[in-house]
Amino acid sequence: NAGVTQTPKFRILKIGQSMTLQCTQDMNHNYMYWYRQDPGMGLKLIYYSVGAGITDKGEVPNGYNVSRSTTEDFPLRLELAAPSQTSVYFCASSYSAGARGNEKLFFGSGTQLSVL
Amino acid sequence: AQKITQTQPGMFVQEKEAVTLDCTYDTSDPSYGLFWYKQPSSGEMIFLIYQGSYDQQNATEGRYSLNFQKARKSANLVISASQLGDSAMYFCAMTPWGYGQNFVFGPGTRLSVLP
Repeated sequence: NAGVTQTPKFRILKIGQSMTLQCTQDMNHNYMYWYRQDPGMGLKLIYYSVGAGITDKGEVPNGYNVSRSTTEDFPLRLELAAPSQTSVYFCASSYSAGARGNEKLFFGSGTQLSVL
Repeated sequence: AQKITQTQPGMFVQEKEAVTLDCTYDTSDPSYGLFWYKQPSSGEMIFLIYQGSYDQQNATEGRYSLNFQKARKSANLVISASQLGDSAMYFCAMTPWGYGQNFVFGPGTRLSVLP
């Protein structure tokens, strides 16, 4: 089973460039999330989606945009990259947010992004 | 708003011994789930164990157990018989039931298992 697939695994951007991090899940999960993990830190929520066509901001949304046109895909767009966006980005999904025991997050393998 | 505190930035344990990783949380929600994830040096996030706020018994999964003390708002992870492969970052996390978007993670504890 593929689970949650993120691409690319590594990327170096110059300041001011833009890029899209791709995320696809094949588990038919309704909920999808983007987190960033700065060195030595925990995960902070950037954006999340509760279903196709529905997205909302998390704790640190500035400088990012998302879209959710299908259940499977949840791309993260970085516009005008800045050094502060150097981080590891994780996409995650979950079956639901209400059913007890089903809130477990399934993570992608991460994207290491450096903005120089 | 929820908050997770992990007060041990780093821990050392001898191989085959047990170790407890601390986690305290703060929430006003009456129903919530608590989770522990492991992140080895390769970077992936691995789910270890889940505890629901209404569970009467502490959760166990193989060598992992969760010492849940609701009144103290603590959810410590106990790893028995540590193995070298247990060396990793460990994150405590929580979410209120019905609000998956509020999945909050702690800063993590780096565990090093010594041979």
